[in-house]
Amino acid sequence: DVKVTQSSRYLVKRTGEKVFLECVQDMDHENMFWYRQDPGLGLRLIYFSYDVKMKEKGDIPEGYSVSREKKERFSLILESASTNQTSMYLCASSVMTENTEAFFGQGTRLTVV
Amino acid sequence: AQKVTQAQTEISVVEKEDVTLDCVYETRDTTYYLFWYKQPPSGELVFLIRRNSFDEQNEISGRYSWNFQKSTSSFNFTITASQVVDSAVYFCALGAGMNTGFQKLVFGTGTRLLVSP
Repeated sequence: DVKVTQSSRYLVKRTGEKVFLECVQDMDHENMFWYRQDPGLGLRLIYFSYDVKMKEKGDIPEGYSVSREKKERFSLILESASTNQTSMYLCASSVMTENTEAFFGQGTRLTVV
Repeated sequence: AQKVTQAQTEISVVEKEDVTLDCVYETRDTTYYLFWYKQPPSGELVFLIRRNSFDEQNEISGRYSWNFQKSTSSFNFTITASQVVDSAVYFCALGAGMNTGFQKLVFGTGTRLLVSP
């Protein structure tokens, strides 16, 4: 079974803190993605990576950065957390071929106070 | 720009009723994929189906069926004889980005399905 594991299920951080959300996949997938999910807005793509050290902005990258030093790990970084970054964050991974699907982690619910 | 619209925010049905979840998409790409994912209360998205833009054949999997019509840019999902376990949020998504194998997803806002006994 493909497994995408996010390091925390729930996180509470203070405004201004630097926050790291970690995601690890065990299937040697080339692609990794970070989405945020908000009520009424669905899932929106923050950043993605199709290879180690490669990253591209998604639709809402402002206030975030990412790091992919190893193929299996993709980190989302909030340089200075703000209350409007309170959300559910979902990591996903997939192979880089057509006719396949992405596998999602269980999500991290981040609250910034 | 790419966009997915799920106009139904929430649908409530009684067990054994049939229900159709609507999905309309916009894209200028000629090659793309369409997906449906289910998100149960546990939160993890579960893949249900994918379709590429060249395959308009409808699909049936048990109680689930999907109707893809390029002429109306729609990819609708029907659950026949719904069950309480079908209660979840369902997302339709458009896959783009050849460099990712069309895995860069644009999601709709989701439809919450409530099936009562």
